[in-house]
Amino acid sequence: TQLLEQSPQFLSIQEGENLTVYCNSSSVFSSLQWYRQEPGEGPVLLVTVVTGGEVKKLKRLTFQFGDARKDSSLHITAAQPGDTGLYLCAGFKNNNDMRFGAGTRLTVKP
Amino acid sequence: KAGVTQTPRYLIKTRGQQVTLSCSPISGHRSVSWYQQTPGQGLQFLFEYFSETQRNKGNFPGRFSGRQFSNSRSEMNVSTLELGDSALYLCASSLGLAGSFYEQYFGPGTRLTVT
Repeated sequence: TQLLEQSPQFLSIQEGENLTVYCNSSSVFSSLQWYRQEPGEGPVLLVTVVTGGEVKKLKRLTFQFGDARKDSSLHITAAQPGDTGLYLCAGFKNNNDMRFGAGTRLTVKP
Repeated sequence: KAGVTQTPRYLIKTRGQQVTLSCSPISGHRSVSWYQQTPGQGLQFLFEYFSETQRNKGNFPGRFSGRQFSNSRSEMNVSTLELGDSALYLCASSLGLAGSFYEQYFGPGTRLTVT
């Protein structure tokens, strides 16, 4: 059983569409990170959220940390083929306990 | 600045053998963490080394071990390989201990296939 559940597991959309992926847990996290991993490469950090209710924007990507710090979402506006990849969330339960979700595999078709 | 490098990139071994994977962190980074990534289990933490000392360890059997050298380079060893050890092994380096809000930079991984 994953401590962090990501949904959906797979998502295939057309270029220009909007999408939201989720990262949920029954545990409270001190902070949460989102990564994107492309084939043949390691994950690359996109954002770190720390405060409950925090919203961070990175160009067309919007990240939100739940008020109770148990969940997070990633919203992409007007998706592009370059957004294709595996999106991973990772939560810190305390300073040294980091857990990853299994990821959402996103495909954006031109 | 050069990124995290891992060698080899691909490896095929048979059951019962042992394997050693290598990771060179970004210059100046003192922390190296190792992860196992499989389609079924996702990314799972193996262990973290900082200043040549293992600081954190995940829930893996003793067949998985590692070490870090004085130049921060790290090696991971898996003995008595099992089919289930087939995975992408990723290492990540950071300035400080992972979780201390130091960004982790991942290498491209070593894909290990056990036959």
